[in-house]
Amino acid sequence: NAGVTQTPKFRILKIGQSMTLQCTQDMNHNYMYWYRQDPGMGLKLIYYSVGAGITDKGEVPNGYNVSRSTTEDFPLRLELAAPSQTSVYFCASSYSMNPRDRDTGELFFGEGSRLTVL
Amino acid sequence: AQTVTQSQPEMSVQEAETVTLSCTYDTSESNYYLFWYKQPPSRQMILVIRQEAYKQQNATENRFSVNFQKAAKSFSLKISDSQLGDTAMYFCAFVRYNFNKFYFGSGTKLNVKP
Repeated sequence: NAGVTQTPKFRILKIGQSMTLQCTQDMNHNYMYWYRQDPGMGLKLIYYSVGAGITDKGEVPNGYNVSRSTTEDFPLRLELAAPSQTSVYFCASSYSMNPRDRDTGELFFGEGSRLTVL
Repeated sequence: AQTVTQSQPEMSVQEAETVTLSCTYDTSESNYYLFWYKQPPSRQMILVIRQEAYKQQNATENRFSVNFQKAAKSFSLKISDSQLGDTAMYFCAFVRYNFNKFYFGSGTKLNVKP
């Protein structure tokens, strides 16, 4: 099992450029998330999805867009990159939030993507 | 809104000793999960331990155990027999039942010294 796979692992962008961070999971999880982690800080939720075709904003959605056309894929789009978007980005997925399910609540993370905007 | 607070930005412990990391949270919910995640220098986030709020018994996973005080909204992590491989950032996290948003603390950097 590959789990959650993110690409690229590293990227340098110029101000104003756009890019897409790819995320795919092979665990058939309904729930997928994008977080950003600034140096010395915790994780901030950017966007999340509860299933194919459904997405919603998290705490810090400005400057980002997502789509969820399949259960497996949840790409994060950065439009008009700004230095404030320099961060490490994590994609995560989970199976269920139903207390009756065995693995409920556990997040599975990708390895992260370090993005620098200069 | 839920908040998670980790008041210890950095801690050190000697190899083989025991260390406790603190976490407090604020919620009006009764049913929720609490987690401790570990982030080693490789950046991969790894689940350490999970606690369900309705369970009074504290969760344990080998050398890792929690002290869950629901009334005090406290959820500390105890690491026994610390190993060099335990060196990492540790994050406390909260999520409500049947809800989708996880709330993370700011993390505690743990250094295990030989």
